[in-house]
Amino acid sequence: DQQVKQNSPSLSVQEGRISILNCDYTNSMFDYFLWYKKYPAEGPTFLISISSIKDKNEDGRFTVFLNKSAKHLSLHIVPSQPGDSAVYFCAASPSNDYKLSFGAGTTVTVRA
Amino acid sequence: NAGVTQTPKFRILKIGQSMTLQCTQDMNHNYMYWYRQDPGMGLKLIYYSVGAGITDKGEVPNGYNVSRSTTEDFPLRLELAAPSQTSVYFCASRGANYGYTFGSGTRLTVV
Repeated sequence: DQQVKQNSPSLSVQEGRISILNCDYTNSMFDYFLWYKKYPAEGPTFLISISSIKDKNEDGRFTVFLNKSAKHLSLHIVPSQPGDSAVYFCAASPSNDYKLSFGAGTTVTVRA
Repeated sequence: NAGVTQTPKFRILKIGQSMTLQCTQDMNHNYMYWYRQDPGMGLKLIYYSVGAGITDKGEVPNGYNVSRSTTEDFPLRLELAAPSQTSVYFCASRGANYGYTFGSGTRLTVV
């Protein structure tokens, strides 16, 4: 049972434009959310996170938005750069747990 | 700083063979995890450990075993390899916050 869903397997965006990645979750106990970035032949690396007490967290070109009522979060990358081409995983956890549930990932391709 | 180190990076096994995937971390993290990633799927938790001597099953533990005799090491054992275990395996550790540090993965093919 997939508790974290990324329904778009791929996204293609032009360099300099905005990339928007979406993630939905079903477990109402989730209250900590993370995005990971993965290049080929490497392990995922932490990108940005947000807790349920916030609805937005920003770090440079990356912003994560959380809509708890809709059980939805999104990652915005502005502006997109060629080095952003990677697979992005959404992950979530309850605060009293130490295991993350991951989505299937979205492959982002930034076109020059 | 090495972080999380996994060996080997690649392996081909025949059906029925066994092997151990090695994972070691140098960050003194208590929590460690083994995930597998199949094409088009998210990372699925196989086993995890909250400290030396303590392990527990994740979502997909069948066909695997783990041990945690030290804080640093968390090996994953495949006893009777099956084609369904063809996957990319990631080891991870977690410190005080929620962010995981992942190893670079082991690509395993069972033929």
